[in-house]
Amino acid sequence: NAGVTQTPKFQVLKTGQSMTLQCAQDMNHNSMYWYRQDPGMGLRLIYYSASEGTTDKGEVPNGYNVSRLNKREFSLRLESAAPSQTSVYFCASSQTGAALHFGNGTRLTVT
Amino acid sequence: QKEVEQNSGPLSVPEGAIASLNCTYSDRGSQSFFWYRQYSGKSPELIMSIYSNGDKEDGRFTAQLNKASQYVSLLIRDSQPSDSATYLCAVNPNSGAGSYQLTFGKGTKLSVIP
Repeated sequence: NAGVTQTPKFQVLKTGQSMTLQCAQDMNHNSMYWYRQDPGMGLRLIYYSASEGTTDKGEVPNGYNVSRLNKREFSLRLESAAPSQTSVYFCASSQTGAALHFGNGTRLTVT
Repeated sequence: QKEVEQNSGPLSVPEGAIASLNCTYSDRGSQSFFWYRQYSGKSPELIMSIYSNGDKEDGRFTAQLNKASQYVSLLIRDSQPSDSATYLCAVNPNSGAGSYQLTFGKGTKLSVIP
């Protein structure tokens, strides 16, 4: 029973490098989300996908892009990483309006 | 700006006591309310959801919602050291397009002392 699977678990990047965080869910949920969590800031929504084929900006979208590849997969891309993007990233999924189910997170450090 | 406020804590309670965690929210039209538990270094885990005024009980956990006061709380009875974690309150602002943008509080850190 995998739920929401994120890869990688840890990543270190140099400023200006790019990377893609992968997320997949096996719960047949329509909606998927990317959050970042920083000390003292709580969880903040970066992007979400209400359903397959749609994506929308959340509270903090600058510097990120997303792709909803299919119903199961939702990726987050950092085109040119900055130290301000050092954070823990969580992918989540849900049925519309229902509770979120989170992946285990990706700890990203940008030097 | 839709806001969800929680006391950051830490809230310390002795083992076996009742822990009371509180949350207020700014959007009067909010429809759905959730409590998540997050252990240090782990992802948030859903423990309770509540949608209508009143109390909802699940084992040692009781969620209480008062929409008129814009207040939701979580009671943990017979607190155990394993309950020590950060508790996040999350609010679904409204229905329709907004129903995808859960707003989280910054969390209350609970410490249960043996």
